[in-house]
Amino acid sequence: GIQVEQSPPDLILQEGANSTLRCNFSDSVNNLQWFHQNPWGQLINLFYIPSGTKQNGRLSATTVATERYSLLYISSSQTTDSGVYFCAVRSNDYKLSFGAGTTVTVRA
Amino acid sequence: DVKVTQSSRYLVKRTGEKVFLECVQDMDHENMFWYRQDPGLGLRLIYFSYDVKMKEKGDIPEGYSVSREKKERFSLILESASTNQTSMYLCASSAGVSGGYTFGSGTRLTVV
Repeated sequence: GIQVEQSPPDLILQEGANSTLRCNFSDSVNNLQWFHQNPWGQLINLFYIPSGTKQNGRLSATTVATERYSLLYISSSQTTDSGVYFCAVRSNDYKLSFGAGTTVTVRA
Repeated sequence: DVKVTQSSRYLVKRTGEKVFLECVQDMDHENMFWYRQDPGLGLRLIYFSYDVKMKEKGDIPEGYSVSREKKERFSLILESASTNQTSMYLCASSAGVSGGYTFGSGTRLTVV
């Protein structure tokens, strides 16, 4: 199956800082999503982005499918941005394969 | 917005009990999935279904079964719960082969 690697594994930020999370994947995909897992465990969909660039408020994402990576940008981070961020990809079957996640801690 | 609803947020069951975890989605999605999440092991696919009455094993189906009698509902069944099935269970749905996934809020199951 597709291998998904996320970096860094952990990130500590001061409130207001910017950061970039990276996701590398081992094969071509027809779906890539970024999720934020909140403290209660729910996976919140941030972006559906198999290619291109999207923005939603302080968050944006870019996927370069030909080079098999995606980046998630967090600007002006807030304490509510804390949590685990997952990248997940899907190839030609139904299965969504997840990376191990990046744990983000934003300190006030 | 697609809503995926899991019937219980927290559940405590005894070893050997038969456990049903229910998941309902309201957007007519063909595909539904059950994952479990454990510290250090990430999210692992248990079963999925791409149509009513159809099911496929995921990566870790042992000890589980599923039922999909209606398009909107996908049930995960633990035939005889064991302590190693204590976990966070997440249900999801998607449309088509490339559609985005939407997850429910999760069920934290503890088997004692």
